[in-house]
Amino acid sequence: GQQVMQIPQYQHVQEGEDFTTYCNSSTTLSNIQWYKQRPGGHPVFLIQLVKSGEVKKQKRLTFQFGEAKKNSSLHITATQTTDVGTYFCAGRMRYNFNKFYFGSGTKLNVKP
Amino acid sequence: DTGVSQDPRHKITKRGQNVTFRCDPISEHNRLYWYRQTLGQGPEFLTYFQNEAQLEKSRLLSDRFSAERPKGSFSTLEIQRTEQGDSAMYLCASSAPPGTVLRDTQYFGPGTRLTVL
Repeated sequence: GQQVMQIPQYQHVQEGEDFTTYCNSSTTLSNIQWYKQRPGGHPVFLIQLVKSGEVKKQKRLTFQFGEAKKNSSLHITATQTTDVGTYFCAGRMRYNFNKFYFGSGTKLNVKP
Repeated sequence: DTGVSQDPRHKITKRGQNVTFRCDPISEHNRLYWYRQTLGQGPEFLTYFQNEAQLEKSRLLSDRFSAERPKGSFSTLEIQRTEQGDSAMYLCASSAPPGTVLRDTQYFGPGTRLTVL
């Protein structure tokens, strides 16, 4: 079964509004990564979180890793049209370092 | 650093034919992953190489799929007796060795889009 769940599937926002996508795992993760895939493109690495409760920021993007290392979120403040794309989380389980489980992604559309 | 390259970019084949895809990772990367991505889904793990050793293979992968990385550099993914359900984007990603900066970052190639008629 699917190891990493991601919600919502789609999000349509007006430019300037905030956006959040959530990722949940049924088992404890070793680390979690976030990727962005533009339409017609390939996934591009954004960030990796490793520590329990970790919070990292990249300009308008804020990434969080839950205390139990089972959930994560990506929050974008004041979206811009350049933020359009699909955001994926990818978790690596504590018991297997050889593979990453990707969420199904959240497709973000930003209306100008 | 020329990035990860994949060849071909597109492949159209008839059901029952064999196809082979190639991935050239970033030169100093010893770890290589293959994924399959269908429309509206996230990349699905297929297999993982560390140098030339295939250390992990998805149980979802039937015996029609095989991957190699003979010299620890480029890799090939072969699908035998293709089926319409194999139609997808096949992505390759590579990562730097442990102990290096951004060692776990996966750099994806542009993918090979397979259409099975």
